[in-house]
Parts: sequence; structure tokens; C-alpha cells
Amino acid sequence: QSALTQPASVSGSPGQSITISCTGTSSDVGAFNYVSWYQQHPGKAPKLIIYDVNNRPSGISDRFSGSKSGNTASLTISGLQAEDEADYYCCSYTSSSTPYVFGTGTKVTVL
Amino acid sequence: QVQLQESGPGLVKPSETLSLTCAVSGGSISPHYWTWIRQSPEKGLEWIAYIYYTGTTNYNPSLKSRVTISLDTSKNQFSLKLTSVTAADTAVYYCARGGGWWSIWGQGTMVTVSS
Repeated sequence: QSALTQPASVSGSPGQSITISCTGTSSDVGAFNYVSWYQQHPGKAPKLIIYDVNNRPSGISDRFSGSKSGNTASLTISGLQAEDEADYYCCSYTSSSTPYVFGTGTKVTVL
Repeated sequence: QVQLQESGPGLVKPSETLSLTCAVSGGSISPHYWTWIRQSPEKGLEWIAYIYYTGTTNYNPSLKSRVTISLDTSKNQFSLKLTSVTAADTAVYYCARGGGWWSIWGQGTMVTVSS
């Protein structure tokens, strides 16, 4: 099972909106509404920010939103803030022998 | 609130067994899924296995022959054993709560495989 494909880096200025893509296949992202997104600051554990494509856990800012179209899921961060600078990973349930596959990760830089 | 804490040796020799424990505090083992995930620069994030509070398990096929996940409800903890380790098993190992998405994570423990 190959990792989901994410851009290596995305950047934006404070206040702007950015979108991170997560491209899979018809066996994972395209087949199930079980995509989650994680934010990871250096030296810290990943933090769940989106589950089941577009649901936010309690306490997560509504500046984070998720969507999906075909085999590609997306995470949008609106009103970019300095604290959003981190690595972001997507994850999807798959129909392959490995039930969960992560994305390659995207480094978000706030300019 | 629920907190998870990994423990175990930070250095394991090649061909030996890696053993980690995740202590669950502030909540019960039931009725949740409990998962091990690891992260390395080479492979990124990799799902290893989960165990349901009933004892049902699921393993990453690429590791299945070497991995065992278990529960100790009396101690409110769960464990990971990975046999015949190689340098490719060097990673930060995280325990987490959940089966399909993971809302609570331990801080992670770095395990290096080296002689």
C-alpha cells in the first residue's frame, strides 16, 4: 500500500487561506469517507484536527476545514496564523490488506 | 482527561525484541480501540496495529509476523512487542486511542535499533 500523496510544502501569509491536497486511489480516499488530518509541531505528537473527511473534534478551530472530491481529500486553513506553522498529515482507511495509510506530509510555512 | 504514556527501552539490539507499554490514565480501557503508530524519516507515519477492549486485534500485514499487541485491563495499559528488529524499525513509537482516527496520543518514545 503506497502512501497518500501530499505536497511537500505549502506557504502563505498571515490571514490568507491555504489548501493542502491528499491524493489517493479508488481503494482508499475515493472509496471511503474515512479521511482524517493531523497537525504536528516539531518534537510533538500528531494532533487530530479533522476526522471523517470534514468533521472537527471539539476544541479545534473552525479555521480548519476538510473536503473530498474523487480520490483527493483537501484540508483548508483559513485566516492563517503563525501557530499554524507545522507539518500536516492525512490518513485514510483503505480496502487493501493494510487498513490505514498515511500521507507523505506537508510542511506549512507562515511567511 | 485521558492521557497516554509510552514506556520502554530506548535502545534495542538488532535481532532482539522491542517491548513497549502504554499506560492509560484518566479513563478506562473500555470501550475503546487502542493503537500503535510509529514515525521515521524514511517511512513517515506507519500504522502498526490496534486492539479493541474485547481483545480483537488487527495488524499491519508488513509487520504481522513480528508484532503482538496485548491488553492488561487490570493495569489499564496495553503493550507492543516487535521481534527480530532491524535498523529499519528505528522510529518514534506512539500509542493512541481510536480505531480509525486517533484523538488522543502519547508523547511518543524514540526507539533506536543498534548494536
